[in-house]
Amino acid sequence: AQSVAQPEDQVKVAEGNPLTVKCTYSVSGNPYLFWYVQYPNRGLQFLLKYITGDNLVKGSYGFEAEFNKSQTSFHLKKPSALVSDSALYFCAVPYSGGYQKVTFGTGTKLQVIP
Amino acid sequence: KAGVTQTPRYLIKTRGQQVTLSCSPISGHRSVSWYQQTPGQGLQFLFEYFSETQRNKGNFPGRFSGRQFSNSRSEMNVSTLELGDSALYLCASSETGQGHNEQFFGPGTRLTVL
Repeated sequence: AQSVAQPEDQVKVAEGNPLTVKCTYSVSGNPYLFWYVQYPNRGLQFLLKYITGDNLVKGSYGFEAEFNKSQTSFHLKKPSALVSDSALYFCAVPYSGGYQKVTFGTGTKLQVIP
Repeated sequence: KAGVTQTPRYLIKTRGQQVTLSCSPISGHRSVSWYQQTPGQGLQFLFEYFSETQRNKGNFPGRFSGRQFSNSRSEMNVSTLELGDSALYLCASSETGQGHNEQFFGPGTRLTVL
C-alpha cells in the first residue's frame, strides 16, 4: 500500500531562516507525491507535486521540494520563512491504481516565530 | 473560476440523527472526493466519485454514503450519527481524478454531534 510519513508533528523556525518540513514515502513503482497546506479553519491548498523529471520541484508561495529516490524522501523547503507560512502541512500520495484515493501524512504544524 | 463550495459550513446534530452535506466542484471538474479530518485520526479518505459512479471507497462503515449528480455536484450522507462522527468534512475536486492531478479543496463542513 502507498503511504507517506511525516516524522515531525511540529517545526519551529525563526522568520527569515530557511525551513524544512520532512516527508518520507513508501510506494511501489514511480511515485506521485504532493504537498498541501492548511490554514486555520480552511480547506487544504495545493502547493506542489512531483510526477517525474527534475528532482527539485518548485511550487506556490516560494516553496520547493526535493525528491530523493535513494532516501525515499520528499522534503518541503523554503529559503526564507515568513510568519504567514505558519500553518499545517501535509504530504500526500495517491492510490497506486492511479485514481484519486489519496493517503495523507499526519501533518506537520509549522510555526514561524517573528 | 469559482472554487469548491461546501454547504453548510457548520452543523450541530444529536446522536442517532442523519445528516447530508453538499459539495459543488470547480466547473469542469468531474472527480469529487470526500475526506474526514479529526485531531486523532488526521485526514482520512471516505470515497471518490467520477461521472456519477463511486470509484473508490475508504474504510468507513456503511453509515457513510454519497452520490454524485450529472452536474458533478456531490452529496454525502451520514446516518445514525455517533459522537465519533464529529469532524471537519472536506470535499475536493479534480479535473479527471487521475493520480497525478492535484485536488482543490473546499472550506469544509464542521459537524458536531452531541
